[in-house]
Amino acid sequence: GIQVEQSPPDLILQEGANSTLRCNFSDSVNNLQWFHQNPWGQLINLFYIPSGTKQNGRLSATTVATERYSLLYISSSQTTDSGVYFCAVLTGANNLFFGTGTRLTVIP
Amino acid sequence: DAGVTQSPTHLIKTRGQQVTLRCSPKSGHDTVSWYQQALGQGPQFIFQYYEEEERQRGNFPDRFSGHQFPNYSSELNVNALLLGDSALYLCASSLGQGALAQYFGPGTRLTVL
Repeated sequence: GIQVEQSPPDLILQEGANSTLRCNFSDSVNNLQWFHQNPWGQLINLFYIPSGTKQNGRLSATTVATERYSLLYISSSQTTDSGVYFCAVLTGANNLFFGTGTRLTVIP
Repeated sequence: DAGVTQSPTHLIKTRGQQVTLRCSPKSGHDTVSWYQQALGQGPQFIFQYYEEEERQRGNFPDRFSGHQFPNYSSELNVNALLLGDSALYLCASSLGQGALAQYFGPGTRLTVL
């Protein structure tokens, strides 16, 4: 089956720092989404990005489908950015397969 | 624009009992998918409902069943609860079955004692 690996597994940042999260997937995909899971468990949509680059405020994402990876950039990090970041790919069976997650802690 | 809603927020059951979780999709969405998230792990796909039928199913036993109503809302039923069923259950909605964005509800945290 499809494999989705994220790196790094854990990341600690000083407030104001920038970071890059990576998502590697083993098969071609039709859909890739990035989510932020807050401490209460809510999965918040960040990007729907099967290919190309998108930006939303301090966040941006790039997916290179031909090389089977996606990157999430966080600039000028804030304490509210803390949580777990997941990438998820839509499999041929039409369901989202989640990566292993990156736990981000932003300290003031 | 109403987002995805789930009820209840929390639930405590004992082994062997049955539980029903509920989900209302985002306004305009017609497809509902259910996921189980164990502590410290990513969500895992349980099944997906579209046009009131189960369309896709993940690697979960028959104890997990569901239903979709004509208004697109959905229920997840789990019978003969096991301790290992303790998890956050997430519902996601989308439009159609294509490769479009899925939006998640706040989840129901189930504890089995």
